[in-house]
Amino acid sequence: GPKVLQIPSHQIIDMGQMVTLNCDPVSNHLYFYWYKQILGQQMEFLVNFYNGKVMEKSKLFKDQFSVERPDGSYFTLKIQPTALEDSAVYFCASSFWTANTEVFFGKGTRLTVV
Amino acid sequence: QQQVRQSPQSLTVWEGGTTVLTCSYEDSTFNYFPWYQQFPGEGPALLISILSVSDKKEDGRFTTFFNKREKKLSLHIIDSQPGDSATYFCAASYGNEKITFGAGTKLTIKP
Repeated sequence: GPKVLQIPSHQIIDMGQMVTLNCDPVSNHLYFYWYKQILGQQMEFLVNFYNGKVMEKSKLFKDQFSVERPDGSYFTLKIQPTALEDSAVYFCASSFWTANTEVFFGKGTRLTVV
Repeated sequence: QQQVRQSPQSLTVWEGGTTVLTCSYEDSTFNYFPWYQQFPGEGPALLISILSVSDKKEDGRFTTFFNKREKKLSLHIIDSQPGDSATYFCAASYGNEKITFGAGTKLTIKP
């Protein structure tokens, strides 16, 4: 089936440094999402993105976070600067239309901030 | 504020038995309810979904029930198999741009 690819699978970074998480969504999809998961538990919505713009973001999407998809390439989540509490697995997802259609998730990037 | 509540947190079922997972929600505008299955090291994958205009949907061994009046839904897995061992998330959406997840149920099927 359709696949969302996330690069890298694991990233370790020093607190205060910048990190960029990359996502290659399903090719014809129009909506893109980032979710945060801690310890294999709750999937927390961070942000969604459509037509080059952030449509909605949660309280977890701090000012240090940003997303973009320049020229239809990778959909990225940038954290600058990182904090210890940013350690989690970040899942990228995409859907052809809104979240009422099937949303496909990647395998996640495990971010460890030390 | 937890908009989608899921229980139990973990569950063990013998192989061949029936698994029942339950969820409740608060926001009456939710109209789409997917269930996701997640294996360790993987992302969630859509298992089955139901719209609020329906009360039941089946897909093989998996059936989801929806009760709009009580704002509850459930997932039933008949003839549970060890390969069904995973974390299951109920979720809800209302046609906008995000899915709200429950806390998940870790299911273990014992042979």
